[in-house]
Amino acid sequence: NAGVTQTPKFRILKIGQSMTLQCTQDMNHNYMYWYRQDPGMGLKLIYYSVGAGITDKGEVPNGYNVSRSTTEDFPLRLELAAPSQTSVYFCASSYGTGSSSGANVLTFGAGSRLTVL
Amino acid sequence: AQSVSQHNHHVILSEAASLELGCNYSYGGTVNLFWYVQYPGQHLQLLLKYFSGDPLVKGIKGFEAEFIKSKFSFNLRKPSVQWSDTAEYFCAVIANFGNEKLTFGTGTRLTIIP
Repeated sequence: NAGVTQTPKFRILKIGQSMTLQCTQDMNHNYMYWYRQDPGMGLKLIYYSVGAGITDKGEVPNGYNVSRSTTEDFPLRLELAAPSQTSVYFCASSYGTGSSSGANVLTFGAGSRLTVL
Repeated sequence: AQSVSQHNHHVILSEAASLELGCNYSYGGTVNLFWYVQYPGQHLQLLLKYFSGDPLVKGIKGFEAEFIKSKFSFNLRKPSVQWSDTAEYFCAVIANFGNEKLTFGTGTRLTIIP
């Protein structure tokens, strides 16, 4: 049972380069999320998706793009990498939101550490 | 909008000491509350959650948290910590209404000295 799989685990980019962080989940979850984690700042939501074909901005979307063509996949694209995007990126999924006890429980991937030089 | 505060940024304890990590949230309505743990080099894992009912919630590895609605708090406790509890701990909240998404606190780094 793989859960949430992220690739790559590590990447170094030069300023201005572009790349895509891949995220796949095999739990048939409707909701998927991208967070970035910076020291002392906790996790900030970049983008999220409530189902295939539907995405929306989170707290810190600038410099990123996402797509959700299937339930399983939720790639995060950096178009013009900047040093401020040096961070650890986590993809997560949940089966929904609402008041039921399992709905808001997020399952996280292992993270992708990105350095922009 | 909802927010979460974790006032302890770094806590250092000796093995067998008791632990309490503070978490306060701001939101006037019904909320769901979580503690996640991130062991060194690993991803976040759910430690425990509160949705409704008994305000004292028990999680994995002997952790528990108490929801005190009047204080907007959800503090994490463990009576006797172990070296393996060294990790970063994140409190998170989500409003049980509307289109809010899970909001995380800034985290508390816990270091246990053998």
